[in-house]
This record gives sequence, C-alpha cells and structure tokens, in this order.
Amino acid sequence: NAGVMQNPRHLVRRRGQEARLRCSPMKGHSHVYWYRQLPEEGLKFMVYLQKENIIDESGMPKERFSAEFPKEGPSILRIQQVVRGDSAAYFCASSPPLRSGYTFGSGTRLTVV
Amino acid sequence: AQSVTQLGSHVSVSEGALVLLRCNYSSSVPPYLFWYVQYPNQGLQLLLKYTSAATLVKGINGFEAEFKKSETSFHLTKPSAHMSDAAEYFCAVEGAQKLVFGQGTRLTINP
Repeated sequence: NAGVMQNPRHLVRRRGQEARLRCSPMKGHSHVYWYRQLPEEGLKFMVYLQKENIIDESGMPKERFSAEFPKEGPSILRIQQVVRGDSAAYFCASSPPLRSGYTFGSGTRLTVV
Repeated sequence: AQSVTQLGSHVSVSEGALVLLRCNYSSSVPPYLFWYVQYPNQGLQLLLKYTSAATLVKGINGFEAEFKKSETSFHLTKPSAHMSDAAEYFCAVEGAQKLVFGQGTRLTINP
C-alpha cells in the first residue's frame, strides 16, 4: 500500500515561470491537504480539498496560487509567475473521511532562481 | 480556533539523557493532538497521536506523550536519547478539519 506520493521531489524554476506540484493520496483517502514550509519555519496550512471540491483555502495566497483535486488523477498545486519568495518545501497530506488519519508525503522542494 | 505553542525552538541533550519537548495547545473542543518528526530533507513521520482515549500515549522509537487537560499540555518525552533522535519535532492539533502545527523544536544530541 503506497503512501502519499509527491512529485517531483525537487523542482527548479526561473522567476516568472509556472510550477506544478503533484500529490497522489493514499489508497482509500479522499481528503488532501497542502502545507508550505519556509526555511527555518513550521508548516503552514494552505488548502484542503476533497474530490472536485475546495473545502478550505484560507491559507492560500490570494494571487498566483491555485489547487485542484479532480475526479481522476492527482491533486495539483499550481503556482503561476513564481518569485524567489515561493522557494519552500511543499507537503501534501491525505486522510480518510474520519478524523486522526493524516499521512504526509515526502514533499516537493521548490527553488526559484 | 485551535493553536499550538512549542516552547523552545532548539533543545540540546546528551546521548542517554532524558528528552523533553514541550507543547501547549489551545482548543475550543476536545482536541486531537499529534507529534511528528522530520529528518533533514525528508517528510513528516507520525510519532504518536492522542484521540481522547488513554492520556499517556506511546509512540514509535521509544517516545511517549501525556495529555494533561488541566495544563493544556501534550509534552513529548523519551527516557534515553539516541544520536538518531536528532531531528525537528512538530506538535499539531486538529482544528476545523485540518492540522495546525507549532513552530517546531530542533533536537540536537550531544555525544
């Protein structure tokens, strides 16, 4: 039973390019969460999604960031026109419908040059 | 709203000594509480979780934590530190269908 799969593990983008981060939840998990970890900081919640629905996006920056979790395929976190301040580790977690079962992926480390 | 405060961003102990990492929470409902460990350049691994059953929770790698409602605390302990315990540790509370994390505590083990 594979865990939460994130790809790529490392992503380098030039300023102004787009970054697409993918997350495949654990089998049987229908809830996906995205977190951002800036250097020397804790994890900050970004967005919570269920299949085809955004449940809570209170942590998403108002511009350039978007997320989706389509009926088929992985969840995608999309960052348009990246800036150096977007450089961070982005973690995805998934859970089943009931509480207390969060599993994290290994993260995508985005570097903007 | 739920929140977590981890006291001490850096903790250093000698190998074989007691490890104590402090976590205090704020929650308007009975909390579910978690401790995660993060090794360098890796993801988060669940150490243990409290979900309103026994107040003393045992986790992996010899760690345990005690839920104390009167103190709103969920401190993480290990009787004897090992070099392999060096990592970043995060306390988290579940709130509004998501995890809310503390700032983390970096644990250093001295030989």
